[in-house]
Amino acid sequence: ETGVTQTPRHLVMGMTNKKSLKCEQHLGHNAMYWYKQSAKKPLELMFVYNFKEQTENNSVPSRFSPECPNSSHLFLHLHTLQPEDSALYLCASSQDGGFDYGYTFGSGTRLTVV
Amino acid sequence: AQTVTQSQPEMSVQEAETVTLSCTYDTSESDYYLFWYKQPPSRQMILVIRQEAYKQQNATENRFSVNFQKAAKSFSLKISDSQLGDAAMYFCAYRDGGQGGSEKLVFGKGTKLTVNP
Repeated sequence: ETGVTQTPRHLVMGMTNKKSLKCEQHLGHNAMYWYKQSAKKPLELMFVYNFKEQTENNSVPSRFSPECPNSSHLFLHLHTLQPEDSALYLCASSQDGGFDYGYTFGSGTRLTVV
Repeated sequence: AQTVTQSQPEMSVQEAETVTLSCTYDTSESDYYLFWYKQPPSRQMILVIRQEAYKQQNATENRFSVNFQKAAKSFSLKISDSQLGDAAMYFCAYRDGGQGGSEKLVFGKGTKLTVNP
């Protein structure tokens, strides 16, 4: 399997639930990202990991907790979310330090908080 | 902070015709990259075309080309011979270049392109 794979594709959760989003890349990239995509708003960068180390946290509420156990896997742990957190969550990867081809994105997880 | 503006929330084009999507950006950097991404209903963002700021020549990828005006900070996308499969959201994006540049991609709000048969 190649590219960036995100699971699950859809997720419905209650405000008291705990769930995790998973992202996996098979491109040998060294940087991974979480973006939030809401209707009528630009994509919002949430977290950046470079060589497994978090290099950016874009003022994201603590109810979102990222984890990057290795350069190929990225998780987003969710707990006590709010309805306004309903959105499409996109994972991306890139190879930094080289010729810049931008990001490779996954297909996203459509999250609905009820 | 860098910003990207797409002033056209929606555009439509007839099949086989040409359409141009607008994008402007704001930066104080001289070395950077610009991108156009396409997001079809499948939701996966797909890179359409990229441009390095230091290159004066406009990038071209088959039916897709850009008009890069560095002084005006403008980066429009032209789609020639539009096809039904071109219907999607199109996002303009900016990224710092050079050593130590931020890895962040900054996106515009997107333009929804409809292709009419």
